[in-house]
Amino acid sequence: GAVVSQHPSRVICKSGTSVKIECRSLDFQATTMFWYRQFPKQSLMLMATSNEGSKATYEQGVEKDKFLINHASLTLSTLTVTSAHPEDSSFYICSAAGTGGRKLFFGSGTQLSVL
Amino acid sequence: QKEVEQNSGPLSVPEGAIASLNCTYSDRVSQSFFWYRQYSGKSPELIMSIYSNGDKEDGRFTAQLNKASQYVSLLIRDSQPSDSATYLCAGHSGGGADGLTFGKGTHLIIQP
Repeated sequence: GAVVSQHPSRVICKSGTSVKIECRSLDFQATTMFWYRQFPKQSLMLMATSNEGSKATYEQGVEKDKFLINHASLTLSTLTVTSAHPEDSSFYICSAAGTGGRKLFFGSGTQLSVL
Repeated sequence: QKEVEQNSGPLSVPEGAIASLNCTYSDRVSQSFFWYRQYSGKSPELIMSIYSNGDKEDGRFTAQLNKASQYVSLLIRDSQPSDSATYLCAGHSGGGADGLTFGKGTHLIIQP
């Protein structure tokens, strides 16, 4: 299957700092990538849809100024959590659609802990 | 009605038995369905996809889709302790690349 690489796998930061998470499709071009967030024992919640060369589409309730998404190329999307606070601590996962567009393949996830 | 619903469990099944996981969905997510397996602290791994009514088998896994009743299920035969994980049911409404809607997941425990 398609390979999606996500980095870093874990980050601990102080409150008020910004954190950037990278998501790369390694063996295919992804015009669309998706960012999810998962709190402990909860389901994955779609945060935003990242479109190459255009602005991201955010889900209701997700602050676009706080969660900055950049999709500068067909293989890379980044999510920046700006001015992180403890309530932003969560597991962030990116995904991209493989060939045919219907199957999603996930990155390995980033566990963010804000102190 | 939530768009994709699952019983959170835990569902406990003895090793070697058949584990049956169920999921119901609303009209908005009625096109394509997926079962993902997620180990604690890891990202989801695609197990099965199913797009049309009926059964689809892949090794020890069988996905079943019933559009009339709006449910999709996953059967795991000859359950192994390594199958212990959270199983997420997901669907999306479009034919192209689109964000999936996930259920909360069912925690499956295979007892040795």
